[in-house]
Amino acid sequence: ELKVEQNPLFLSMQEGKNYTIYCNYSTTSDRLYWYRQDPGKSLESLFVLLSNGAVKQEGRLMASLDTKARLSTLHITAAVHDLSATYFCAVDMSAGNTGKLIFGQGTTLQVKP
Amino acid sequence: NAGVTQTPKFRILKIGQSMTLQCTQDMNHNYMYWYRQDPGMGLKLIYYSVGAGITDKGEVPNGYNVSRSTTEDFPLRLELAAPSQTSVYFCASRPTSYEQYFGPGTRLTVT
Repeated sequence: ELKVEQNPLFLSMQEGKNYTIYCNYSTTSDRLYWYRQDPGKSLESLFVLLSNGAVKQEGRLMASLDTKARLSTLHITAAVHDLSATYFCAVDMSAGNTGKLIFGQGTTLQVKP
Repeated sequence: NAGVTQTPKFRILKIGQSMTLQCTQDMNHNYMYWYRQDPGMGLKLIYYSVGAGITDKGEVPNGYNVSRSTTEDFPLRLELAAPSQTSVYFCASRPTSYEQYFGPGTRLTVT
């Protein structure tokens, strides 16, 4: 079964702290995506990771991909309240790059002042 | 560019009614997708299309139909609405590269 699992599902943290969200997936893929969703809103693309060892950074967020371990991480550095949202990873497990994404359950991040 | 637009934003249906959710993109993207998001969950793919005239099933296609007569439009049809179809529906499009662009969503309640 094709599965994408995120850990943790809920994260409450203080401003200024660091933390990592993990995304494990069940079958071979080298195309992984991170999205952000604010309550009641659509999804905003954060990162596109397309090869083993890929690392992307934007502001306080850094994403990486280890295709051998079937693991991606989203690292948050010195969290601020504006980062409060739900974060999804999604894996393209299609054979022909048709973009058939399998999403994780999401990690809801709450950053407290 | 307006990007990906969806109508309606909200809809309440009675059990057994039918409706069409509209999705339009003005970016000339070949690939288009329909997802549903149940409360507290990730998105699940319903149907997708790799170009005009070509559609295929995703993870959860039962109870839905799609068509793709033009590059711009990808409507999703619910024939006999059931309470299990209460969800938020997102349409997305993608050029031949990788990133998908999502519409604002349609919140559907079936009672």
